[in-house]
Amino acid sequence: DIQMTQSPSTLSASVGDRVTITCRASQSISSWLAWYQQKPGKAPKLLIYKASNLESGVPSRFSGSGSGTEFTLTISSLQPDDFATYYCQEYKSFPLTFGGGTKVEI
Amino acid sequence: EVQLVESGGGLVQPGRSLRLSCAASGFTFAEYGMHWVRQVPGKGLEWVSGISWNSGSLSYADSVGGRFSISRDNAKNSLYLQMNSLRPEDTALYYCAKSTPRYNWNDANFDYWGQGTQVTVSS
Repeated sequence: DIQMTQSPSTLSASVGDRVTITCRASQSISSWLAWYQQKPGKAPKLLIYKASNLESGVPSRFSGSGSGTEFTLTISSLQPDDFATYYCQEYKSFPLTFGGGTKVEI
Repeated sequence: EVQLVESGGGLVQPGRSLRLSCAASGFTFAEYGMHWVRQVPGKGLEWVSGISWNSGSLSYADSVGGRFSISRDNAKNSLYLQMNSLRPEDTALYYCAKSTPRYNWNDANFDYWGQGTQVTVSS
């Protein structure tokens, strides 16, 4: 099974900051990576698919990059609504796996 | 509007069974793979199982293989998860999730999620 490791697990930032979250795969997953945002008490929301493709309706301050084993999610200018936990997910092969999550605290 | 509504959760004793359902609407259910993802409150996401649009492909997490069975009824726009031999570590909120692309089993990222149904396994 592919293991996904996210860092950091917690991130403290201010409004307007540029924020970067990293996700590493235990083996190459090409670009088969998605990023999700989850707010307390809510279901996850898809932000990015295939490593760098922005899901429809997601603000352009979110971007994804990377391929192979190392990926990043960047929020260019952090907004109050971005307080949430972020997860990466690989879909190179089954069983699918998620990273452990990064909690962004404003 | 896409809607996924889970039901069937509850409190169950270890070793017993439970069947979860997910009622889908707002899209052509028969064209999409569907999945179950669970989350222990305060913890991360764990993919549980998935099924292709025509039930031709199924997959399970190692932690539930042999105990859980996924199925779907395209005529009823419904997804199911039969959970047998339940363990305390199966306690979680279970989400139903829709795969993003049509007719593509391998491109398994999830663009819509339900609100979840809580399963608690305890004596």
